[in-house]
Amino acid sequence: DTEVTQTPKHLVMGMTNKKSLKCEQHMGHRAMYWYKQKAKKPPELMFVYSYEKLSINESVPSRFSPECPNSSLLNLHLHALQPEDSALYLCASSQGISGAGSNEQFFGPGTRLTVL
Amino acid sequence: SQKIEQNSEALNIQEGKTATLTCNYTNYSPAYLQWYRQDPGRGPVFLLLIRENEKEKRKERLKVTFDTTLKQSLFHITASQPADSATYLCALGPRGSTLGRLYFGRGTQLTVWP
Repeated sequence: DTEVTQTPKHLVMGMTNKKSLKCEQHMGHRAMYWYKQKAKKPPELMFVYSYEKLSINESVPSRFSPECPNSSLLNLHLHALQPEDSALYLCASSQGISGAGSNEQFFGPGTRLTVL
Repeated sequence: SQKIEQNSEALNIQEGKTATLTCNYTNYSPAYLQWYRQDPGRGPVFLLLIRENEKEKRKERLKVTFDTTLKQSLFHITASQPADSATYLCALGPRGSTLGRLYFGRGTQLTVWP
């Protein structure tokens, strides 16, 4: 299985709602990532987990809360979002993280989030 | 400040020609550079990686070069087909403590017309 799956595909939420995005991979990868992508812009890194521990937080507002329950799963909990948070949220995984290694990232299809 | 530039937002070429996409960077010292393809509403798909000590890599109709002196990578698609139409992103993997981080360029939207 060389796939990263994400649910839901689409999500519409109000600014007072609490929702979660889910990501799953079964490739035995030990690094997992959350990215945010606006239209016609590059993916922006939000969080990196390595061996189920948070290793990078790109100064993301606390209304986004990541969680890595096990090596195959990655969640992104959303609370009190703003309309400007509307974007495509991408999950990715790689074998590991290493400054010297390749570690190509495998991306999921994304969750299209709209905040009203 | 650090910057990654991809030559143009859009590139239109005729089927059968070679598409050449450019990725320039400043104020980075990447350990490697990757190229991804992204279709509308989908996640990027990894295509090729080239390390700082490599000059050229090939995979089927794809070729990537890396010139650390010019701070530039070129991505070529030979015998292009309409199915190659997509946005192509370059991504830099910095050395040092920023492990796991990839910096993406804005991408070049390639259209191959019959």
